Amino acid sequence: DAGVIQSPRHEVTEMGQEVTLRCKPISGHDYLFWYRQTMMRGLELLIYFNNNVPIDDSGMPEDRFSAKMPNASFSTLKIQPSEPRDSAVYFCASSLPGGGTTDTQYFGPGTRLTVL
Amino acid sequence: DQQVKQNSPSLSVQEGRISILNCDYTNSMFDYFLWYKKYPAEGPTFLISISSIKDKNEDGRFTVFLNKSAKHLSLHIVPSQPGDSAVYFCAASGYNQGGKLIFGQGTELSVKP
Repeated sequence: DAGVIQSPRHEVTEMGQEVTLRCKPISGHDYLFWYRQTMMRGLELLIYFNNNVPIDDSGMPEDRFSAKMPNASFSTLKIQPSEPRDSAVYFCASSLPGGGTTDTQYFGPGTRLTVL
Repeated sequence: DQQVKQNSPSLSVQEGRISILNCDYTNSMFDYFLWYKKYPAEGPTFLISISSIKDKNEDGRFTVFLNKSAKHLSLHIVPSQPGDSAVYFCAASGYNQGGKLIFGQGTELSVKP
């Protein structure tokens, strides 16, 4: 398996622009997680899905952030409008069926976002 | 408020010696703890975990110790190898977290040859 795939790997944009990050989980995994990594706060869980349904979005920083999972093999995280403080590395992760959220999560390589 | 804290941003160890990475938590409802390892430009990968019913779990060169009374866990790597140089994240989960993993800030380990 190719593992969790994220695109783009790097994104540089200007403040106020819309940014869309994409994720393809490992086939057969039914949990999908979006994280943000910063120096100050480490890895923060933003939102997670089970069987394409959002379960907990309490980590989403504000209304500028939204996430969707239209099918089992694709998810997006959108920031609109983007701000410089959104600059971070964003990770997508997935886990096995029935494992629940405490089981091993498999991470993608991340998208490094820079908002100027 | 950081519920999981890794107070040492970095650690440098000589090859062959022991590396000890520490993690503290504040929520007594946490019942499952994990360590992840992250190389530059890659996502974190699962390393080892421990349930709150245990105080030690060992996997090869890696051992995790849990001290529930002190709300402290540590990861021991013996012997340390240059390939162990990476950022290590401690994570915790529990019933009152809705199953989420709460990560610490990470500790960057450097193993010198």
